Amino acid sequence: NAGVTQTPKFQVLKTGQSMTLQCAQDMNHEYMSWYRQDPGMGLRLIHYSVGAGITDQGEVPNGYNVSRSTTEDFPLRLLSAAPSQTSVYFCASSWTSGEVGEQFFGPGTRLTVL
Amino acid sequence: GEDVEQSLFLSVREGDSSVINCTYTDSSSTYLYWYKQEPGAGLQLLTYIFSNMDMKQDQRLTVLLNKKDKHLSLRIADTQTGDSAIYFCAETRAGGSYIPTFGRGTSLIVHP
Repeated sequence: NAGVTQTPKFQVLKTGQSMTLQCAQDMNHEYMSWYRQDPGMGLRLIHYSVGAGITDQGEVPNGYNVSRSTTEDFPLRLLSAAPSQTSVYFCASSWTSGEVGEQFFGPGTRLTVL
Repeated sequence: GEDVEQSLFLSVREGDSSVINCTYTDSSSTYLYWYKQEPGAGLQLLTYIFSNMDMKQDQRLTVLLNKKDKHLSLRIADTQTGDSAIYFCAETRAGGSYIPTFGRGTSLIVHP
């Protein structure tokens, strides 16, 4: 199993550009989520999904869109990038409730917005 | 205040014990976790404890849970330079989304 994969690993955007961060998992996990990590701020939840076709907002959803058309994929879209979105983005997946709830994390995407 | 709080930095000497502390606010927390993040990588689950337990030991790791004070700690015995990383405390709540809430992370620096 590849686990959780994320592409790209690094990206530089100009203010106002759009892009999609890709996330895929091959563990048949129902739960998937996106976090951003900023120095001194820890991990903050952007959006999450409890299954295909179901998404919900996390703590910091503004400026980001998600969709979940398949169990495997959970892309994160930046519609109009802003310098405040410079961060490291992590995708994670897990089993549903009733389990320990271990989150499996991807390697991250480092995004810089100029 | 924040749901899960941790101090940001801890520095220890190689061979000493490290104790990383965490406090949480929600008494309905079901599982409490410690994740480790090495430089340039994603987080990996280190250990977890169910809320009806007081202690869990796993080789060099000891997790202590004080439910009354809502305090969780991670003790690493015989700390090595390879233990240098950021350690995140996290919790999930009964009846919640089961997406964990993370603390800000404690950077553990191990020096010779």
